[in-house]
Amino acid sequence: GESVGLHLPTLSVQEGDNSIINCAYSNSASDYFIWYKQESGKGPQFIIDIRSNMDKRQGQRVTVLLNKTVKHLSLQIAATQPGDSAVYFCAENDYKLSFGAGTTVTVRA
Amino acid sequence: DAGVTQSPTHLIKTRGQQVTLRCSPKSGHDTVSWYQQALGQGPQFIFQYYEEEERQRGNFPDRFSGHQFPNYSSELNVNALLLGDSALYLCASSYMENTEAFFGQGTRLTVV
Repeated sequence: GESVGLHLPTLSVQEGDNSIINCAYSNSASDYFIWYKQESGKGPQFIIDIRSNMDKRQGQRVTVLLNKTVKHLSLQIAATQPGDSAVYFCAENDYKLSFGAGTTVTVRA
Repeated sequence: DAGVTQSPTHLIKTRGQQVTLRCSPKSGHDTVSWYQQALGQGPQFIFQYYEEEERQRGNFPDRFSGHQFPNYSSELNVNALLLGDSALYLCASSYMENTEAFFGQGTRLTVV
């Protein structure tokens, strides 16, 4: 079975609002995660990563939170824009990437 | 600085044929991994090459093979193509084996 899984297959967000995409993992030994964004017809684009020695990491308009107690991570996108519409994947990186099924984010104008 | 580049972008093959896909890693990267992505699903790991050797392999049959060259570029070969091999094939590169991995745009393979 999958080692990582996303909570919701789809997310509809109003432009300008914040988006939160959730992901759960099963292996308590997992210590490195990457979030990717994939637009239609393109390869996954690296957004942000986090290792287990951190609880939170911030990038440009994005924040990743890691809760090792409940084996959960989330990606927060601030002030969501139309260009944020895509499929988002969390992936466990254990010398190879293990992906969940993805969350499709649609931004409403 | 060129990112990960893959060729060709699209390919149509007939069932039973063989195909070779190519990947050039991001500058400074020495590790290449290949993934298969079926429509509507997340990418599935095929194998990884580091120092010209296959280091890890996912749950794919021996019809899938690869190679890494001294310049770190890589090829994915698939023999005896099946209709079910139709997918987006993605190459990802990184510096060493467990660091940030960046993807190319993929090769869309259609088997008819």
